[in-house]
Amino acid sequence: GNSVTQMEGPVTLSEEAFLTINCTYTATGYPSLFWYVQYPGEGLQLLLKATKADDKGSNKGFEATYRKETTSFHLEKGSVQVSDSAVYFCALSGYSTLTFGKGTMLLVSP
Amino acid sequence: GAVVSQHPSWVICKSGTSVKIECRSLDFQATTMFWYRQFPKQSLMLMATSNEGSKATYEQGVEKDKFLINHASLTLSTLTVTSAHPEDSSFYICSARSGDRDNQPQHFGDGTRLSIL
Repeated sequence: GNSVTQMEGPVTLSEEAFLTINCTYTATGYPSLFWYVQYPGEGLQLLLKATKADDKGSNKGFEATYRKETTSFHLEKGSVQVSDSAVYFCALSGYSTLTFGKGTMLLVSP
Repeated sequence: GAVVSQHPSWVICKSGTSVKIECRSLDFQATTMFWYRQFPKQSLMLMATSNEGSKATYEQGVEKDKFLINHASLTLSTLTVTSAHPEDSSFYICSARSGDRDNQPQHFGDGTRLSIL
């Protein structure tokens, strides 16, 4: 079956630091890949997506590239802000449902 | 665009009460809606998938008589937790998608925190 593995958190960074959150997946076929962000007490917001190999999704300074050869979809941002503190979920779609990773908490301090 | 509204955002009620949660897609038609449950500091657990006008498909281990799902229109799905007990306390999140294709993202509501006393 499909599965998503994310690096465990929390990831603690200072403002303006470089961010990488690793995500790898196992899937049959050609899934689409997503990153969602969840702020405290809220639902999930779509951050970015990629639907085929070598696609790069980007939004609000965050980027992730769909790497089929390494089955990865790592999230990166060049300079994080305090307001980026949240939980980030990597997900893949297949068989009409989403499979989520366990989430990675990001804490950014001033 | 792609706004999903979930209501109420917070419910506290006594054991044995039934609670209804609404999920609405405000600016698109949702062919498919999903209901998730999230425990503290954990990922989302899919409870069921519903398509407009048909019965919901429940995930293994989810009691369909306990968690009643109705998707009567392309913009509204409801989850009713019947005879709720303290173990049903959780964060419930709905999502909606405009089509059936896997490359279409799900758009999530802000969740409902349910506390059963």
